[in-house]
Amino acid sequence: GQNIDQPTEMTATEGAIVQINCTYQTSGFNGLFWYQQHAGEAPTFLSYNVLDGLEEKGRFSSFLSRSKGYSYLLLKELQMKDSASYLCAVRDSNYQLIWGAGTKLIIKP
Amino acid sequence: DAMVIQNPRYQVTQFGKPVTLSCSQTLNHNVMYWYQQKSSQAPKLLFHYYDKDFNNEADTPDNFQSRRPNTSFCFLDIRSPGLGDAAMYLCATSRDQEGANIQYFGAGTRLSVL
Repeated sequence: GQNIDQPTEMTATEGAIVQINCTYQTSGFNGLFWYQQHAGEAPTFLSYNVLDGLEEKGRFSSFLSRSKGYSYLLLKELQMKDSASYLCAVRDSNYQLIWGAGTKLIIKP
Repeated sequence: DAMVIQNPRYQVTQFGKPVTLSCSQTLNHNVMYWYQQKSSQAPKLLFHYYDKDFNNEADTPDNFQSRRPNTSFCFLDIRSPGLGDAAMYLCATSRDQEGANIQYFGAGTRLSVL
């Protein structure tokens, strides 16, 4: 079966850095997405990785290792508004998105 | 301006009473998706349309149906809602399905079943 694993919940301090990990086992690989979802709202796109390495976009960076089936999302200079769930999703060989359950990130002052 | 619009934002229905959720898009995207998401769970794909071609997921109950009368609109019909169907229903669109095509989501409709 196909599987995406992420930690259920993480806590971090305002101004700090946090890394959210995602491991996957899917039928084929055609890219990995990270989405942010605030409570009760729709997911919004953050990043896309298809090649190994780090993609940086402002305070957020995303890393991919295809050989390890592993990605992480790095959030720097955390702000209170970053409190949300972060969902990892992999596009499989049938071009379907396989979603993780998300990591709830709690930011404390 | 919102590009994927879902109505209503909140819907309350009675057990067994049919309900329709709507989604419209201004992106002129080829693909429209319906997801069901329960609290702290991954979004679960119910079905999607590529243009007029309907693609049902194998484990989507027959109770769930969909219509796409034109490029801009897509509807989710729940014929006989049960208590287990209470969830957030998310509509998403993408230009295409492969590669870096991003799925853009509407704000969702939260369905309560009494």
